[in-house]
Formats: sequence, structure tokens, C-alpha cells
Amino acid sequence: DAGVIQSPRHEVTEMGQEVTLRCKPISGHDYLFWYRQTMMRGLELLIYFNNNVPIDDSGMPEDRFSAKMPNASFSTLKIQPSEPRDSAVYFCASSLGRTGGYQETQYFGPGTRLLVL
Amino acid sequence: AQSVAQPEDQVNVAEGNPLTVKCTYSVSGNPYLFWYVQYPNRGLQFLLKYITGDNLVKGSYGFEAEFNKSQTSFHLKKPSALVSDSALYFCAVRGRSYNTDKLIFGTGTRLQVFP
Repeated sequence: DAGVIQSPRHEVTEMGQEVTLRCKPISGHDYLFWYRQTMMRGLELLIYFNNNVPIDDSGMPEDRFSAKMPNASFSTLKIQPSEPRDSAVYFCASSLGRTGGYQETQYFGPGTRLLVL
Repeated sequence: AQSVAQPEDQVNVAEGNPLTVKCTYSVSGNPYLFWYVQYPNRGLQFLLKYITGDNLVKGSYGFEAEFNKSQTSFHLKKPSALVSDSALYFCAVRGRSYNTDKLIFGTGTRLQVFP
């Protein structure tokens, strides 16, 4: 398997523009997670999905952020309008569902480095 | 509430020497514990996990970690460090009693191995 795929790898945009980040999870994984990493705040969970349904979006910073998962092999994280403080590395991760009560391992994509000018 | 602490921002060690990266946690009940490594400009890579059973867990690249319930710790260790081990290491936890799939990550520890 190719692992978790994210695109674009780098994005530079101007304040006020819409930004869309994309993720393809590992085939067969039914959980998908979106994280943001910054020097100041470390690694933050933004939202996660189970079987394409958003389960917990309490980490989404504000209404400018939205995430969708229209099918099991694709998810998007959208920022509209973008602001300089959104500059960060955004990671997508996927995992199998819990089996036998175990917490399955999350596998991370390479990330999208976003710079908002 | 669940939490995890990595008390050291950076650990420096000479190549060939043993290394330890510390992690302590706080959860209600028994934990699931994970270690991830992040190399520059890369995503997090899974190293090892503790779910149940033997307290000493062996993982990728010669790393191991020991679950210590009484000290609520899950320190990462390696008998002989390599320069290529230099990276950012994250500990993560979830309590079994919590009805969520969220992992709580520590702030990360930067490991620097000197030749």
C-alpha cells in the first residue's frame, strides 16, 4: 500500500484566499484524522471521522475551517478565508477501527505545509 | 482528563551510548501508549505501542519502551544510539475507559545524537 497520501505537499497563498487540503487514507482504514502542527501549539487534533462520519470536531479552530469525507477514500480540509495564523503543517492520518477493544495504530501522511501570506 | 508529558524538550547523547526519552501519562484506568518519530519535513512514523501483556515493548529501528504502571511512565529506550536516530519523538496515550478514538500527544522531545 502507498500509505496515506496528501496533496498538495506545499501551499503558499494570500490572506483571504480559500485553501483546500486533500487526503487519501490507507485502503480499508475506517478512521481518518486531521491534525495541525505548529511550533507554538505542537500537534493538535482538528477533527476525526469514522466510516466517513465526523465524530469529533471539537478541535476545529473556528468556522473558517471545514472538513468533509464524501467517501472512504477521500477527505478534504478547507480553510475559507485563510489567515496568516493558519500557517502550519497539516497532517492526515488513518487507522483501522477498534478491534477487541484495542486502540489501533494511526498512520500519518507526509503533511501539507501551508503558508498564508 | 487524559494527558501526557514529555518533560525534556531536547535530549543529547553521543553515538554508541544508550538513550532514554521520557514520557509520563495521566488517564483513568489502563492506557494504550504509543511512540512516534518525526524526521525533518516528514510525517509521524509509528515506532511501537503498548496495548497489554509484557511491559517491555520492542519496536522499529531497535527501540524499546517499558510500561511502568506504578510510575505511570512509558520511557523510550535504545541500547546504542545512532546519528540517524536524531529526530523529534512523540509519546501518545488514550485511556481504555474513554469512549473516543482520540490520541493525546505529548509536546515532543528532540533527540540529538552526536558523532
